[in-house]
Amino acid sequence: EAQVTQNPRYLITVTGKKLTVTCSQNMNHEYMSWYRQDPGLGLRQIYYSMNVEVTDKGDVPEGYKVSRKEKRNFPLILESPSPNQTSLYFCASSLSKDHTEAFFGQGTRLTVV
Amino acid sequence: AQKVTQAQTEISVVEKEDVTLDCVYETRDTTYYLFWYKQPPSGELVFLIRRNSFDEQNEISGRYSWNFQKSTSSFNFTITASQVVDSAVYFCALTLSGNTPLVFGKGTRLSVIA
Repeated sequence: EAQVTQNPRYLITVTGKKLTVTCSQNMNHEYMSWYRQDPGLGLRQIYYSMNVEVTDKGDVPEGYKVSRKEKRNFPLILESPSPNQTSLYFCASSLSKDHTEAFFGQGTRLTVV
Repeated sequence: AQKVTQAQTEISVVEKEDVTLDCVYETRDTTYYLFWYKQPPSGELVFLIRRNSFDEQNEISGRYSWNFQKSTSSFNFTITASQVVDSAVYFCALTLSGNTPLVFGKGTRLSVIA
């Protein structure tokens, strides 16, 4: 079954404690991206990756890092989380950069206290 | 810059009614792609449709239909004979060809009441 898997689904952490949200896809997609969803703001792109070792900033990259060492994985790293990063995060993958057949993970609800 | 406007924040309908969710987009590019996603209460995003700017044919999939009109920059979504399971937040999104993100509207929350 084609899917994008994010872990964890829910996370409560404290300010400043580094965390990683993992994302893995099994469709051999080249394009992967991270979005955050906030009430009244919709979804906004954080980072994206066109292929292995190729990453670039989206609209709201501050406070986040990503890496793409393998095609299937695209982890999101928060080196020093802050309360304003409390949000619902989605990983997405698609066959190409124009988002053909875009698939989203199930979301990670992060709370930073 | 690209923009997607979903003017309806919340809609409530009674089961079996038809409902149309509006989506208006802005872009200066001639090549672009439009999407609709469904976000049920469980939170995941479910892909519904993707259309490119050169294909203005309306699409029907079961009870769902989409009306794409370039003249009014709209890509509206109609659910016929709505059901309680249609209750969700629906997002319209736009992207250009190339390395551009999906730009989402703020979503329309649809509640279908039995």
